[in-house]
Amino acid sequence: AQRVTQPEKLLSVFKGAPVELKCNYSYSGSPELFWYVQYSRQRLQLLLRHISRESIKGFTADLNKGETSFHLKKPFAQEEDSAMYYCALSGEGSNAGNMLTFGGGTRLMVKP
Amino acid sequence: DTEVTQTPKHLVMGMTNKKSLKCEQHMGHRAMYWYKQKAKKPPELMFVYSYEKLSINESVPSRFSPECPNSSLLNLHLHALQPEDSALYLCASSQERGQGYEQYFGPGTRLTVT
Repeated sequence: AQRVTQPEKLLSVFKGAPVELKCNYSYSGSPELFWYVQYSRQRLQLLLRHISRESIKGFTADLNKGETSFHLKKPFAQEEDSAMYYCALSGEGSNAGNMLTFGGGTRLMVKP
Repeated sequence: DTEVTQTPKHLVMGMTNKKSLKCEQHMGHRAMYWYKQKAKKPPELMFVYSYEKLSINESVPSRFSPECPNSSLLNLHLHALQPEDSALYLCASSQERGQGYEQYFGPGTRLTVT
């Protein structure tokens, strides 16, 4: 079974402060990890994925297989980063392929 | 066209009604998905279609009946729903069904069962 845990339901920071949204997963095989974001009144959209190793909107996330974590980080938060963030896992294999399992989500609030 | 569209945006139905949700994409994607999202909860997978065939049914009650008439269209037929089925129903699509293909989400249909 695959499981994703986001321990913080709400994270509140001031503009310009560093941000780290935590994500831990449980999966016996080789997962692919994603961060999805949902801005107010907008659809759920992909922010980044571990396999591409790129930085989107200043956010980065590194897959740590030893700690089974995929934390999302940004050195300087902006007010427009305020949104709901979901960590998601896609398992391997013909049956699990592209079955996304989402974490509970973390609401990020960036205060001015 | 790089969007997934869903209609209607809002739907209120009684427990004896029959209604359908519609999802459409014109990105040439061959995998389509239905998710259910309750308030303040993450999306939960309901069904996966791959090449217009049902691949995965996540033990969803039979009062929800999916249909994929063609590669661009995905329907969810609703019948005899319960108030606890009230939720945001999200449709998504991806190029293929394999691990790692990005899923593109629609805006959702907010369903209220009275």
